[in-house]
Amino acid sequence: EPEVTQTPSHQVTQMGQEVILRCVPISNHLYFYWYRQILGQKVEFLVSFYNNEISEKSEIFDDQFSVERPDGSNFTLKIRSTKLEDSAMYFCASSALGFRTGENSPLHFGNGTRLTVT
Amino acid sequence: GENVEQHPSTLSVQEGDSAVIKCTYSDSASNYFPWYKQELGKRPQLIIDIRSNVGEKKDQRIAVTLNKTAKHFSLHITETQPEDSAVYFCAATFPMDTGRRALTFGSGTRLQVQP
Repeated sequence: EPEVTQTPSHQVTQMGQEVILRCVPISNHLYFYWYRQILGQKVEFLVSFYNNEISEKSEIFDDQFSVERPDGSNFTLKIRSTKLEDSAMYFCASSALGFRTGENSPLHFGNGTRLTVT
Repeated sequence: GENVEQHPSTLSVQEGDSAVIKCTYSDSASNYFPWYKQELGKRPQLIIDIRSNVGEKKDQRIAVTLNKTAKHFSLHITETQPEDSAVYFCAATFPMDTGRRALTFGSGTRLQVQP
C-alpha cells in the first residue's frame, strides 16, 4: 500500500535556526497538508496545499512558516526561526481528489518528524 | 471555525467489552467525520469515516453513528482486544468544494483494554 514518507524522523535544532521538514506524498494525491502534534495533545492543522498554492492555513501558520513543492514529488515545510514552542511532531498528509465535487477523500498521514528545539 | 469536543479523555475496559467514544461538532456545514487511531509514537491511522448523508457505518468490530441534528457522532468498538489500546481521535471537516480543507481534531481518547 502506498505511504506518505517523511524525513528526517527526528530533528534537533537550536532556537533561532531554520529547519526544513520533508515529505513525499502518495503519488496520485493532489492535496497536501501539514499538521502538528505537541506531545500529549491533539493534532492541529497548519496548512493545506493544492495546485501549487496554499488553499487554507491556520492561525498557527504565521510568517515564520512556509511550504513549497519544489519538484513533482516533494512537499516541504520550512520554519524560518525556530522557537522552543515549535517543538512538536509534525505530520505531513495527502489526499486524493474526491470522487465527486464536494466529497472528501481520506487523509493519509506520514510517520511524522519529531522536532526538538533547544 | 469548527470546534470538535471529544469525551471521555480516558477509557478503560475489560477485554471483550464494548467501548464508546463520543464527539460533538459546532459547524452544521461539516459533512465528513473520520476517526483515527494513534498508537504511541506513531502516525494517526484512519479506521473508519462517515459522511453526512449516512447515519451509521460498520466495519467488522467498529461502527460509527452520526446524528446531524444534534451534531454529534460516536465510535463504537465491540469485543475489544488488547491491541485496540491506543489514542482515538475524531475529526470533522467541510465539503471539498468549500475550499476549507482543514480537519479539526478532537482532543483524543486514550483507550486501555485490560486483558
